[in-house]
Order: sequence, then structure tokens, then C-alpha cells
Amino acid sequence: ILNVEQSPQSLHVQEGDSTNFTCSFPSSNFYALHWYRWETAKSPEALFVMTLNGDEKKKGRISATLNTKEGYSYLYIKGSQPEDSATYLCALNQAGTALIFGKGTTLSVSS
Amino acid sequence: DVKVTQSSRYLVKRTGEKVFLECVQDMDHENMFWYRQDPGLGLRLIYFSYDVKMKEKGDIPEGYSVSREKKERFSLILESASTNQTSMYLCASSPHTGTTYEQYFGPGTRLTVT
Repeated sequence: ILNVEQSPQSLHVQEGDSTNFTCSFPSSNFYALHWYRWETAKSPEALFVMTLNGDEKKKGRISATLNTKEGYSYLYIKGSQPEDSATYLCALNQAGTALIFGKGTTLSVSS
Repeated sequence: DVKVTQSSRYLVKRTGEKVFLECVQDMDHENMFWYRQDPGLGLRLIYFSYDVKMKEKGDIPEGYSVSREKKERFSLILESASTNQTSMYLCASSPHTGTTYEQYFGPGTRLTVT
């Protein structure tokens, strides 16, 4: 069974802090790495899909990087806001139909 | 916008009952998935389907079955509900070829088995 690991499991930051999370995955047979945001009482929503080593994606204050050779991706949030509070999931695709999800990092931002 | 809907947000059933969870998507996606989400365990794949009448077991298929008679609808069936099937159930869909398999999720069904 392939493992996609995310760290930390949870963290709590103050409004305005910048933060980052890690997703590590087996680098063999890599096809794509997905990041999702899952807010309480809502559906998980896709943030980024990255396919190339060295990819960097950005959406507002959130960005992500990808290293397929060493098998990790970082998600960065600059100047955290309370509305960023959510569980952030990463998922690996190895050119199959299904995604392999990590257990997520739960972010709580206090104002 | 892709829309994935699930038949119920909350459901309470008794042990031994047969339970049907329905999922419908409106984007003509070939792939559909059923997950359960439990604290500390993340999203775990129960079953998925890549075409009508086709199904594949995921990581935790025991105690579940699925049905896909139409492309837009994917049903999860608990043949005889047990208390350890109390969980949040999420349905998702994705297009099949020429994509990175981005999944679109429904709102989830929180099932309690008493």
C-alpha cells in the first residue's frame, strides 16, 4: 500500500502569520500531485494540480511547490486569515483512475 | 460548474438495515468514487467506477457494494449496516482521459448506525 504522508497533522496560527505544510509521497510512477482544501460543512475543493518537477502554482496568498525526484510538495499560506481555516489534503495520482489521499493537515487561524 | 449531489446530508439507520447512499453528477464524468472519512484516518476509498456497470474495489470494500446503472449515478449500498460503518461518506467524480484526474466532491452524507 502506497503512503502519502502529510505533516503536521494540525496547527494553530495567528492571523497574519505565514505557514507551510508538507506532503511526501513515493516518487516512482509519479503522474500528478493534487492539493485540496476542505472547509467544515463544505465539499473538498481542488486548489492545485501539479505534474512537473519544479512546478510552482499560486492562487492568491496560497502557493505550492513540487519536487518529484525526492517525493515532496509544500503548500504555503502567506498572511493567514481566519477564512483559511480548513483541512488541507494532498493526493497522489500515479496515472491511474484513483487518487491516494494523505490524512490532511488541519489549520486553525485565530483573529 | 461541476455539481455532485448526494441524496442526504444526515442519515440515521439501525444495525442490520440495508442502506442506500445515492450520488449524482452532472458533468458527464466517466469516473465516480465513494470514500469514507474518519477522524485520524483521512479519506479512504471504498469503491470506484470508470464506466457504466463497471466497478473496482478500493482500499476498504468489505461490507459495501455499489451500483452504476447510469453514467451520472453511483450508489453505495450497505447490505447490513453495522455500527462501525458510522462515518462521513463522500462521493466524487472525475473525467477519465487526457486529464490529471482532478476530482469533484459532493457535500457528504454523515451516516450514524445505532
